Amino acid sequence: DAGVTQSPTHLIKTRGQQVTLRCSPKSGHDTVSWYQQALGQGPQFIFQYYEEEERQRGNFPDRFSGHQFPNYSSELNVNALLLGDSALYLCASSLDRGDYEQYFGPGTRLTVT
Amino acid sequence: DQQVKQNSPSLSVQEGRISILNCDYTNSMFDYFLWYKKYPAEGPTFLISISSIKDKNEDGRFTVFLNKSAKHLSLHIVPSQPGDSAVYFCAASDAGKSTFGDGTTLTVKP
Repeated sequence: DAGVTQSPTHLIKTRGQQVTLRCSPKSGHDTVSWYQQALGQGPQFIFQYYEEEERQRGNFPDRFSGHQFPNYSSELNVNALLLGDSALYLCASSLDRGDYEQYFGPGTRLTVT
Repeated sequence: DQQVKQNSPSLSVQEGRISILNCDYTNSMFDYFLWYKKYPAEGPTFLISISSIKDKNEDGRFTVFLNKSAKHLSLHIVPSQPGDSAVYFCAASDAGKSTFGDGTTLTVKP
């Protein structure tokens, strides 16, 4: 039973560019949440997708957008990259919106130069 | 304004002794609290949770205590083992949206 998978593992982008990160949830899970983790800090909630719609959103600008596909996989898009967007991006899945226990992927390390 | 705080960045204990990790929160709307463990190069792994209507939950060597009046929760690990060495995150949930603390690095010495 595959857990949460994320791709790519590492990514280097230039300021101003756009990036897309991908996530496949744990088998049987239909809810995907995205988090940004800066060095030395805890994960910060970006948004949550359920039934292909954004259901909740944290305090992140509109440059951060996402998508969920019918197979429950998800993408995180970040436009107009800033140096401060450099972080570990974590995807987490859960059984449904009301399930508090989340399963995390290993993350994508994004470096913006 | 950080709603979930873990004031101790690090904790070192001897193998076999008790580890106590602490967490404070400010938002009274949080209805569920969780602890996650994170090893290097891996995502956080769920450890134990507690509903806001309870004050204690136990799972093997791990016990979480919740003091709602003080807005404080703690994780007790007894006995501590070297394999418990990791970063521990406290998280609080409000209608499914989780807010994390900055983590405490636990080192268990053999």
